[in-house]
Amino acid sequence: NAGVTQTPKFQVLKTGQSMTLQCAQDMNHEYMSWYRQDPGMGLRLIHYSVGAGITDQGEVPNGYNVSRSTTEDFPLRLLSAAPSQTSVYFCASSTTRRDTTYEQYFGPGTRLTVT
Amino acid sequence: GQNIDQPTEMTATEGAIVQINCTYQTSGFNGLFWYQQHAGEAPTFLSYNVLDGLEEKGRFSSFLSRSKGYSYLLLKELQMKDSASYLCAAYTGGGNKLTFGTGTQLKVEL
Repeated sequence: NAGVTQTPKFQVLKTGQSMTLQCAQDMNHEYMSWYRQDPGMGLRLIHYSVGAGITDQGEVPNGYNVSRSTTEDFPLRLLSAAPSQTSVYFCASSTTRRDTTYEQYFGPGTRLTVT
Repeated sequence: GQNIDQPTEMTATEGAIVQINCTYQTSGFNGLFWYQQHAGEAPTFLSYNVLDGLEEKGRFSSFLSRSKGYSYLLLKELQMKDSASYLCAAYTGGGNKLTFGTGTQLKVEL
């Protein structure tokens, strides 16, 4: 199993550009989520999904869109990049089965700089 | 609202024991996670407490008191490789939503 994969690992964007951060998992997990991590702020939830076709907003959703057309993939779209979106982005997944610990497995992260 | 507090930094000596505290106030609470994150890497799962009490896993133990909104992570026989950030996260339901604290940066010294 590859676990949770993210691409790209690094990205530099200019203000106003759009792009998609890719996330995929091969563990058949129902739940997937996107976080951003900034110094002194901890991990903040952007969007999450409890299954294909179902998405919802987290704590900091503005400027980001998501979709979940398959169980495996959960891309994050930046509509019009702003310097405030410079951050490290982590994708995570977990099962929702009741007999588990619900631990979230994290991808390696995407380091995004917006100039 | 959701509020999770943990110390920003701690320093300890190799071979010693360190306790990292976490207090939480959340609307809806189903459990408490601890994750470890080395610099430049992704968080990795350490422990999960649902019921009050102590869960032991090798050199790491985690404690939860739901009535006090309090948890701690205990690291024994500290090693240099334990230098990392330790993240406390409350499982607040609504799917598998987690609310994270800002993390405690632990430095292990000789």
